[in-house]
Amino acid sequence: QSVLTQPPSVSGAPGQRVTISCTGSSSNIGADYDVHWYQQLPGTAPKLLIYGNSNRPSGVPDRFSGSKSGTSASLAITGLQAEDEADYYCQSYDSSLGELFGGGTKLTVL
Amino acid sequence: QITLKESGPTLVKPTQTLTLTCTFSGFSLTVSGVGVGWIRQPPGKALEWLALIYSNDDKLYSPSLKSRLTITKDTSKNQVVLTMTNMDPVDTATYYCAHTYYYDNSFDYWGQGTLVTVSS
Repeated sequence: QSVLTQPPSVSGAPGQRVTISCTGSSSNIGADYDVHWYQQLPGTAPKLLIYGNSNRPSGVPDRFSGSKSGTSASLAITGLQAEDEADYYCQSYDSSLGELFGGGTKLTVL
Repeated sequence: QITLKESGPTLVKPTQTLTLTCTFSGFSLTVSGVGVGWIRQPPGKALEWLALIYSNDDKLYSPSLKSRLTITKDTSKNQVVLTMTNMDPVDTATYYCAHTYYYDNSFDYWGQGTLVTVSS
């Protein structure tokens, strides 16, 4: 069981908005460490989607957004597209455990 | 353009030591704040961070694996090497190396990954 907890799966219809949560604790997200998000398409390496809680690297559509509050963070995807179907992972730092990844969330586009 | 590529054995026997090499281009590990990390992913499972090395030679290890891991860099060859001792079948995974910066440790560029199977 991961220290950063994500829902195993979420789903949505094309065009809809979905959110993926990442829940941590006072030793990681709650300690004001940054949260980053990755998208992993089947059979490929992860791709950085959001860094520093809410920043998008060049080339990432603005349909993807990140936020953080307290001991949790969220990734929101608006205008859902079939190509968004992938696994999504959050990452943060823990004062005892070092870099951490969440357990991952599988997004299904209905 | 930053690229990274992992290389090493695809099959190792239990109790053996795994040595993986990450060869990169498009950046230098002599530049302040730059780092390279190793992350692994067992088949069908989540990502797991293993180790990080920075340009100043600072090294970070996953506490749960620290006793088995060693990370080093060769700046002249643009390579980072990870060794993991006493391999076990549970260590079967795709191993990735990735570029990062000290200030936030997000992994912005990744290698394609290399699948390592541990089996006798």
